[in-house]
Amino acid sequence: DTAVSQTPKYLVTQMGNDKSIKCEQNLGHDTMYWYKQDSKKFLKIMFSYNNKELIINETVPNRFSPKSPDKAHLNLHINSLELGDSAVYFCASSARGNTQYFGPGTRLTVL
Amino acid sequence: RKEVEQDPGPFNVPEGATVAFNCTYSNSASQSFFWYRQDCRKEPKLLMSVYSSGNEDGRFTAQLNRASQYISLLIRDSKLSDSATYLCVAGPYSNYQLIWGAGTKLIIKP
Repeated sequence: DTAVSQTPKYLVTQMGNDKSIKCEQNLGHDTMYWYKQDSKKFLKIMFSYNNKELIINETVPNRFSPKSPDKAHLNLHINSLELGDSAVYFCASSARGNTQYFGPGTRLTVL
Repeated sequence: RKEVEQDPGPFNVPEGATVAFNCTYSNSASQSFFWYRQDCRKEPKLLMSVYSSGNEDGRFTAQLNRASQYISLLIRDSKLSDSATYLCVAGPYSNYQLIWGAGTKLIIKP
């Protein structure tokens, strides 16, 4: 059974479009994260939710908006996509800030 | 200065050899440390946590040197399947917010 799943796995879209990435975890964890990994391979935290409450909100453009409908889901909506948004976006989850388990990633390409 | 620095490599190592990498962190308040492994085009996966007294898991040994602010990973008897990028991670504030290094690429050659 997949522990942390993300959809879609690949996303190719035009500049200016709005898109969403969905994440679900079935581990019973209380904390979920969104990370961005760019072409230089740095993994940077974007957001984190604990029990549906935003606890980490790094400096990202406000075009990025996370939404956690429940503890098992954390979605990421991106408005007005730009070329620089092209990256791999990883969702992760953990129990009380312990080991983080990652989803398979969503490879976003903005044309 | 990057908060967590690693030599990007690649380290090209023959199968069976021992390889070691270091990673330095800048925030002396860091309390938790990890090594993750990331295969090409895959997600990072926890390899091991790093404890103050050092710890071992099979062929892998992790050490922490707080005075010099670095952690190390030693891989003995390397296998082809050890080829991956190894990510060093430090948690300065809490485990919720981890700071990631850019990774060290390891290539094990037959």
